[in-house]
Amino acid sequence: DTGVSQDPRHKITKRGQNVTFRCDPISEHNRLYWYRQTLGQGPEFLTYFQNEAQLEKSRLLSDRFSAERPKGSFSTLEIQRTEQGDSAMYLCASSLGNGLAIYEQYFGPGTRLTVT
Amino acid sequence: QKEVEQDPGPLSVPEGAIVSLNCTYSNSAFQYFMWYRQYSRKGPELLMYTYSSGNKEDGRFTAQVDKSSKYISLFIRDSQPSDSATYLCAIGYNQGGKLIFGQGTELSVKP
Repeated sequence: DTGVSQDPRHKITKRGQNVTFRCDPISEHNRLYWYRQTLGQGPEFLTYFQNEAQLEKSRLLSDRFSAERPKGSFSTLEIQRTEQGDSAMYLCASSLGNGLAIYEQYFGPGTRLTVT
Repeated sequence: QKEVEQDPGPLSVPEGAIVSLNCTYSNSAFQYFMWYRQYSRKGPELLMYTYSSGNKEDGRFTAQVDKSSKYISLFIRDSQPSDSATYLCAIGYNQGGKLIFGQGTELSVKP
């Protein structure tokens, strides 16, 4: 399977705990995106990377959230001091980094986070 | 006002029907238009994309963009039960690749 993979698929945590998610993009893709999706809504953009550089962050990404892509391959998204409002599906997508191909984003299966 | 509006449905049709799914958007700077399909508890799957006004066809699917009306549509011909899913329109407009999604329309195709 050469698609985008995410780990874990499900995470249940207690309020106040820290959680970290991992995304492995399609191997030849140098752009990587994080989105968040709540029930009944479309995905909302959080941040994206071109290789290892984080180039844009949404205002949705509070200072409790941090994302990294240290070697330009896989990425991690960490949420510190989780709140119940963080409960959502966290989606990772990847694309090629040139021209219009940046809009052809391929999504992983997501990590479903439940904060109790 | 949301930048992208999509009727959430749900929409229920009999097998074989023609389905029309629609989105409107507010910013005339939007240039890139995508449709994704999302099955329950799965990630979105890219169906079609277009960068200009007019129609683009792929099998049973046709994507239509009317930039003058800021209106995009996805038509599904000869709908099948396997088409039952949530359909998301997505729009891009800057160099970063950020996509703005509609709310999604839940479609059910009954055998």
